[in-house]
Amino acid sequence: ETGVTQTPRHLVMGMTNKKSLKCEQHLGHNAMYWYKQSAKKPLELMFVYSLEERVENNSVPSRFSPECPNSSHLFLHLHTLQPEDSALYLCASSQDHRGLHNEQFFGPGTRLTVL
Amino acid sequence: GQNIDQPTEMTATEGAIVQINCTYQTSGFNGLFWYQQHAGEAPTFLSYNVLDGLEEKGRFSSFLSRSKGYSYLLLKELQMKDSASYLCAVYTGGGNKLTFGTGTQLKVEL
Repeated sequence: ETGVTQTPRHLVMGMTNKKSLKCEQHLGHNAMYWYKQSAKKPLELMFVYSLEERVENNSVPSRFSPECPNSSHLFLHLHTLQPEDSALYLCASSQDHRGLHNEQFFGPGTRLTVL
Repeated sequence: GQNIDQPTEMTATEGAIVQINCTYQTSGFNGLFWYQQHAGEAPTFLSYNVLDGLEEKGRFSSFLSRSKGYSYLLLKELQMKDSASYLCAVYTGGGNKLTFGTGTQLKVEL
């Protein structure tokens, strides 16, 4: 239990569906992140939020739309996804988004399958 | 660009010692993390090195040489529960951007 929760844990969706992934952190952190983890590939940083403001968008297609309503919650809205978007989506948080030894705490991830 | 290399798979025996290597070429360096990830679970923090040398934490130790772009994670007295993927990640740039390697899948056998 890292203090970061994600729902749902598993999601199957069609290419025309719209769905959202939710992340919540109970650590009082100011920064939150979305990562994509595909088989045999490194974790890829998608988005970084600091104090509810997006500070990094790592060239992610517009079919992925993040939302950070407050420092404890982070959403990833999904629409018109492709089968190659099937992956494990991990949320993480850290005290700040800058500074040394800013350990990131990860949630368990949402296993997404796009049919 | 950023490049982080680590072996894809390793196998070791319960009770033994194993060393997992990581080499990196990155633009900027603000430290190196090791994470452990069991199948279907979140990555969990193991160690952080920003200065050269060895950091010891119980059965786990991590070493860094910045001049060589090299780190290793040393696991002693291996247990079956240590079977997991070990992720090397380099903290680059001014923001908190972690660039990950593909991970090393460690299998501990009897």
